[in-house]
Amino acid sequence: DSGVTQTPKHLITATGQRVTLRCSPRSGDLSVYWYQQSLDQGLQFLIQYYNGEERAKGNILERFSAQQFPDLHSELNLSSLELGDSALYFCASSGPGAGYGYTFGSGTRLTVV
Amino acid sequence: GENVEQHPSTLSVQEGDSAVIKCTYSDSASNYFPWYKQELGKRPQLIIDIRSNVGEKKDQRIAVTLNKTAKHFSLHITETQPEDSAVYFCAATGGTSYGKLTFGQGTILTVHP
Repeated sequence: DSGVTQTPKHLITATGQRVTLRCSPRSGDLSVYWYQQSLDQGLQFLIQYYNGEERAKGNILERFSAQQFPDLHSELNLSSLELGDSALYFCASSGPGAGYGYTFGSGTRLTVV
Repeated sequence: GENVEQHPSTLSVQEGDSAVIKCTYSDSASNYFPWYKQELGKRPQLIIDIRSNVGEKKDQRIAVTLNKTAKHFSLHITETQPEDSAVYFCAATGGTSYGKLTFGQGTILTVHP
């Protein structure tokens, strides 16, 4: 157990639907990052939150949104799902500032049918 | 922003041989360079990291070297074993990135028994 908890582990849904992925960071970590990893692809950065505030945004689609709550857990909302959204979605957390490696959660495997 | 290039994209070696993966980065302000190993369907895991005030770091069979002048860093795995087979990602962060890691594209390492 890495200390970063992601739920659910697997999700199968139909095109056009909306889903919410949840992440609880490692105790003490203030930063949360979301990444998308499609089959045979690298880690595509989606968004970063630090202590409840958005810090950086990557190539996140307008259909996707995220937030970090006061208890520091984060949710990634994916709407109007398309087949191409099928991927592994990883959440990671890290300590304050630069110079800290990520601890990744086990990921949520999303399959859109 | 930071850009990280990683080579090669695939690497095949015989058990017992050495493997070297190279990365270059663009932002001279980057000061932290971790390496992650990802086995199929699993989360990326930090295997070694190096900071900009150090030129080399070793941990048993793995080592990382950093050349700040040339802005490149490398992962060296000696006496490779079949269980080293995985995807390896390099990353960089620092400066104004607020801790966000920029990842390389990944290297698929296959160690043949």
